[in-house]
Amino acid sequence: GAVVSQHPSRVICKSGTSVKIECRSLDFQATTMFWYRQFPKQSLMLMATSNEGSKATYEQGVEKDKFLINHASLTLSTLTVTSAHPEDSSFYICSVGGAYNEQFFGPGTRLTVL
Amino acid sequence: KNEVEQSPQNLTAQEEEFITINCSYSVGISALHWLQQHPGGGIVSLFMLSSGKKKHGRLIATINIQEKHSSLHITASHPRDSAVYICAVRSRTGNQFYFGTGTSLTVIP
Repeated sequence: GAVVSQHPSRVICKSGTSVKIECRSLDFQATTMFWYRQFPKQSLMLMATSNEGSKATYEQGVEKDKFLINHASLTLSTLTVTSAHPEDSSFYICSVGGAYNEQFFGPGTRLTVL
Repeated sequence: KNEVEQSPQNLTAQEEEFITINCSYSVGISALHWLQQHPGGGIVSLFMLSSGKKKHGRLIATINIQEKHSSLHITASHPRDSAVYICAVRSRTGNQFYFGTGTSLTVIP
């Protein structure tokens, strides 16, 4: 299956700053990547679907101006949390969709906003 | 109401016990996934099912499309199986994913 990496694995930032999280598909050209958020003791929530070369599709309730997604190449999608606040502290995970509906998940990025 | 319901929420088992985790869903699906999340947070996809049954080592996953139900079985459970198991479905109509709240499994030696 595809190998998916995320960077950074952990980030701590001050309130009001912006944080960029990268999701890379190391051995698979991904036209579609997915971004999820997971709060403690809760399951994953799909935030948006990232489409290479076009605008991301956001789930209801997810602010597109706050969570900027760029999928500029077939191997890289980025999620930028703008003007981060403590309530944005969460575990952010990306996944890559395979040719047969499989999902390959990245290791996740733990964001803490102080 | 959640589109995906899992049971039980928490499960503690003795080593070697046979374990079953259940998942029911209410939407039309193109595929159902069973995921494993370890305490560090990383997620591994265990199975993707659209019909029938799949087996991988000590893990077995089944799905009944008519009843909108899937089960994940672990035979001869081991402490290293301790993790959160998540059921997720992909909607038939598009790229929407719905996730269960997970089953936290602890296997005691």
